[in-house]
Amino acid sequence: NAGVTQTPKFQVLKTGQSMTLQCAQDMNHNSMYWYRQDPGMGLRLIYYSASEGTTDKGEVPNGYNVSRLNKREFSLRLESAAPSQTSVYFCASSEALRGGGTDTQYFGPGTRLTVL
Amino acid sequence: QKEVEQNSGPLSVPEGAIASLNCTYSDRVSQSFFWYRQYSGKSPELIMSIYSNGDKEDGRFTAQLNKASQYVSLLIRDSQPSDSATYLCAVSGNTGNQFYFGTGTSLTVIP
Repeated sequence: NAGVTQTPKFQVLKTGQSMTLQCAQDMNHNSMYWYRQDPGMGLRLIYYSASEGTTDKGEVPNGYNVSRLNKREFSLRLESAAPSQTSVYFCASSEALRGGGTDTQYFGPGTRLTVL
Repeated sequence: QKEVEQNSGPLSVPEGAIASLNCTYSDRVSQSFFWYRQYSGKSPELIMSIYSNGDKEDGRFTAQLNKASQYVSLLIRDSQPSDSATYLCAVSGNTGNQFYFGTGTSLTVIP
């Protein structure tokens, strides 16, 4: 099993450009998450998908959109990149279901994004 | 007030000593508590999860939870240089679908 995979690993964008970060998991997990990690700020939740077909905003959703394409895949889109979105982006998944399952999160390797 | 607070450190301990990492959280209805280790440039990896009050031991690691005091800690016995990393405390919200992370404590184990 590959676990959680993310593409690309590195990306440099110019202000105003758009891009989509891809995430896939092969653990048959129900829930998936997108985080950003900045120095001194820890991991902050951008969006999450508790189950296929649902998405919800996290702590810092502004400037981002997500799509839960199917149970395996959860993508994050930056429509018009800004320098403030320079960060390391992590995708994670967990089995979590209301009323059952474990909610341990497993993380992908991350995408290092720089917006100039 | 932040949901989850940790002392950012850095915390330095000699090899073989006990490292003690602490975390407090603000949401009294939090159900699940986690410690993740993150090496520089890598993704977080789970070390321990704890769901009920008391201690939980796994090898050299012991997690301690006190819900009344809203406090969770991680003890690392016989610390090794390979334990040098940033340790993240995470707490799940009352729905179980949102997770809140602390900013992490940087640990250095000195040979």
